[in-house]
Amino acid sequence: AQSVSQHNHHVILSEAASLELGCNYSYGGTVNLFWYVQYPGQHLQLLLKYFSGDPLVKGIKGFEAEFIKSKFSFNLRKPSVQWSDTAEYFCAVNVKGYSTLTFGKGTMLLVSP
Amino acid sequence: DAGVIQSPRHEVTEMGQEVTLRCKPISGHNSLFWYRQTMMRGLELLIYFNNNVPIDDSGMPEDRFSAKMPNASFSTLKIQPSEPRDSAVYFCASSPGTSGGFSNEQFFGPGTRLTVL
Repeated sequence: AQSVSQHNHHVILSEAASLELGCNYSYGGTVNLFWYVQYPGQHLQLLLKYFSGDPLVKGIKGFEAEFIKSKFSFNLRKPSVQWSDTAEYFCAVNVKGYSTLTFGKGTMLLVSP
Repeated sequence: DAGVIQSPRHEVTEMGQEVTLRCKPISGHNSLFWYRQTMMRGLELLIYFNNNVPIDDSGMPEDRFSAKMPNASFSTLKIQPSEPRDSAVYFCASSPGTSGGFSNEQFFGPGTRLTVL
């Protein structure tokens, strides 16, 4: 079965610092990839997704992610974080033929002002 | 579009009581998912439905948990009897279904925060 690994459980950054959150999946076939964000006390919302085409995907709020097939990775990046980016970030993968998403454990990002 | 609607938003109950959580998916979506989120275990898929039919309930923790989807616009998750370890946030999500064999993105509801005393 496929799995998703998010390397960092907690990340603490100062405002304006650059962000990169790691995500690796284990599945050799074709996948769709997602990053979701959960702000404190709220539900999961989609940040960005990769289905096909350009492996560099741009999402909302200045976030982007790069799909590197050879590394089975889909890392999330933002050049300059803001205090309002404080949230938990989840990477998820969908495998062709399956209706479900497999989520990583999440990375809690705390941005200090 | 109202999004996925869940009720109640908060539920506090005593151990042994029956709890029913409700979900209305986005109109036109044919897949519905129930998740549980806790600090210790993260986000867990409990069960999902395609076209109102339960497809995989292997994530349901035990027989105390049951889920139904009587029609395309309503689903329930029931815990009977409830226990303190069931305390968690329960999310419902819906999806337009599959495209080209792949699942589309899931849209999450606001969740129900359940506390069992």
